[in-house]
Amino acid sequence: EAQVTQNPRYLITVTGKKLTVTCSQNMNHEYMSWYRQDPGLGLRQIYYSMNVEVTDKGDVPEGYKVSRKEKRNFPLILESPSPNQTSLYFCASSFGGKETQYFGPGTRLLVL
Amino acid sequence: GESVGLHLPTLSVQEGDNSIINCAYSNSASDYFIWYKQESGKGPQFIIDIRSNMDKRQGQRVTVLLNKTVKHLSLQIAATQPGDSAVYFCAPRGDQGGKLIFGQGTELSVKP
Repeated sequence: EAQVTQNPRYLITVTGKKLTVTCSQNMNHEYMSWYRQDPGLGLRQIYYSMNVEVTDKGDVPEGYKVSRKEKRNFPLILESPSPNQTSLYFCASSFGGKETQYFGPGTRLLVL
Repeated sequence: GESVGLHLPTLSVQEGDNSIINCAYSNSASDYFIWYKQESGKGPQFIIDIRSNMDKRQGQRVTVLLNKTVKHLSLQIAATQPGDSAVYFCAPRGDQGGKLIFGQGTELSVKP
């Protein structure tokens, strides 16, 4: 089944403790992206990647890192999480940046 | 910056009626538009898309209309069912990096 998977689905952590949210797609998509969704603010893009080893900032990149060492994986790294990064995170992928993006199930993060 | 606004944050319809969800966008250069459905606890799910060289596209029970003159889209759902209850987003593609511009969404409630 073609899909985007994210792990973990739920995470509670404390301020400053590094964490990684993984994202994997099995559709051979070149383009991958991370969004966060917050009440009243909608979905906002954090980082995106047009292909392996090519990443770029979205609208809200502060406090996040990403890497794209393989085509299928696009992990989101929070080196020192803070409470304002409490949010619902979605990974998405597509064939190139100009095509329909397919979303993962989401990761709900709470930073205490 | 670019923005997307939906005309009504909530819409309540009777089961079996037709639903119309409206969306206004700001960037006249947007060339691709996607409608997503997001059910509670899930990621956005692709419904239908339309490119700027079209003004209408039909899917199964859904129709999207695009009016580039006034920068407006609508999603029409025929014979609305309880399973259609969700938040609906229109997402024009922005200028950079394939980013989709999400508005706040319209929450559709279907009354049995």
